[in-house]
Amino acid sequence: DQQVKQNSPSLSVQEGRISILNCDYTNSMFDYFLWYKKYPAEGPTFLISISSIKDKNEDGRFTVFLNKSAKHLSLHIVPSQPGDSAVYFCAASDNFNKFYFGSGTKLNVKP
Amino acid sequence: KAGVTQTPRYLIKTRGQQVTLSCSPISGHRSVSWYQQTPGQGLQFLFEYFSETQRNKGNFPGRFSGRQFSNSRSEMNVSTLELGDSALYLCASSVSGQGERNIQYFGAGTRLSVL
Repeated sequence: DQQVKQNSPSLSVQEGRISILNCDYTNSMFDYFLWYKKYPAEGPTFLISISSIKDKNEDGRFTVFLNKSAKHLSLHIVPSQPGDSAVYFCAASDNFNKFYFGSGTKLNVKP
Repeated sequence: KAGVTQTPRYLIKTRGQQVTLSCSPISGHRSVSWYQQTPGQGLQFLFEYFSETQRNKGNFPGRFSGRQFSNSRSEMNVSTLELGDSALYLCASSVSGQGERNIQYFGAGTRLSVL
């Protein structure tokens, strides 16, 4: 039972444009959400997080939006750079330090 | 500060064998979680250890087990290997803290191939 879903397996964007990666979840008990980036042959690295008490969190070129009523979060990357090409995972957690990950979206930023 | 270290990086086993994977967390981190990553399935949670005790468990058969030592290092064991166990196994550590908001830091993983 996949509680966190990333319905787009891949996304292709031109350098300098905005990349928008989407994630949906089903469990209303989730109150903490994270995005990770993964390069081949490396483990996922933490990118940005958001608590359910907020609806937006920014860190440089990366912004995460949370829509609790729709159980949806998105990651915006502006402007996109070729080095952003990687697989992006969203993750959600309840209060018990257990994390649920989506299946990932492979982002390709074309020069 | 050294990151999360997983050994070995690659393993080839045959069906029916057993395997042990090792994970050394970041110094000071007391929680270690294990995940299985297969194509199209994302990261599937196996279990989490904190202070040598299994605190959380995913939906995997009993062939998958783990333990944590007093220095927070963790091992994961898979017995009676099946072809479907071929995957990347990732270990992640975090500071601690049920009730605290934690960020997990991942190792590079162990790629297990079962023939």
